[in-house]
Amino acid sequence: EVQLVESGGDFVQPGGSLRLSCVASGFTFSGSWMTWVRQAPGKGLEWVAHISPDGGQKYYVDSVKGRFTISRDNAKNSLSLQMSSLRAEDTAMYYCVRDCRWGQGTLVTVSS
Amino acid sequence: DIVMTQSPDSLAVSLGERATINCKSSQSVLHTSTNKNSLAWYQQKPGQPPKLLINWASTRESGVPDRFSGSGSGTDFTLTISSLQAEDVAVYYCHQYFSTPTFGGGTKVEIK
Repeated sequence: EVQLVESGGDFVQPGGSLRLSCVASGFTFSGSWMTWVRQAPGKGLEWVAHISPDGGQKYYVDSVKGRFTISRDNAKNSLSLQMSSLRAEDTAMYYCVRDCRWGQGTLVTVSS
Repeated sequence: DIVMTQSPDSLAVSLGERATINCKSSQSVLHTSTNKNSLAWYQQKPGQPPKLLINWASTRESGVPDRFSGSGSGTDFTLTISSLQAEDVAVYYCHQYFSTPTFGGGTKVEIK
């Protein structure tokens, strides 16, 4: 069974940084594209970034380019999202997703 | 990016009646080489992550009740709940994974 467990969400001030993590199990992590999707409170779903199995290809939504970095450690079955220069509009639940299966999410709140 | 337009935004249906949700993509999500549509449907209840109901436009996920069905191809898709149950109250999203992932805006299903 696919399991994705996110962590790292927190309350942070505008301009701050945060690193989200996702630990995966139940499938061949090193062979899978992995994705971060976010959902602002009361809003819809927004793709944030995804990364190829070997980590060589990375893609981002325009609104986070230059501020967020997606990465992975296949030896540890781990996916990360380094977030910097955070803005109020980055406030959201962040989900780790693989092949349409989602983790429970981790909440990021950006506020002064 | 492919724009996904869902309709209606909300829907009130009597228990036991049919609920129909539509999703239109701004370009085809059909892989002609495999004749598969890269289209998924999710159910999201408050405080929970999206739950995969249907992928490849019409393949029901294991454990999903057979009252849920997906249909359509190319740019026009439908999620049908054949006999609405109380536990089906939720927001439903379509999602294309043909290219950079995008999501419909969601349809809130309630009991009339």
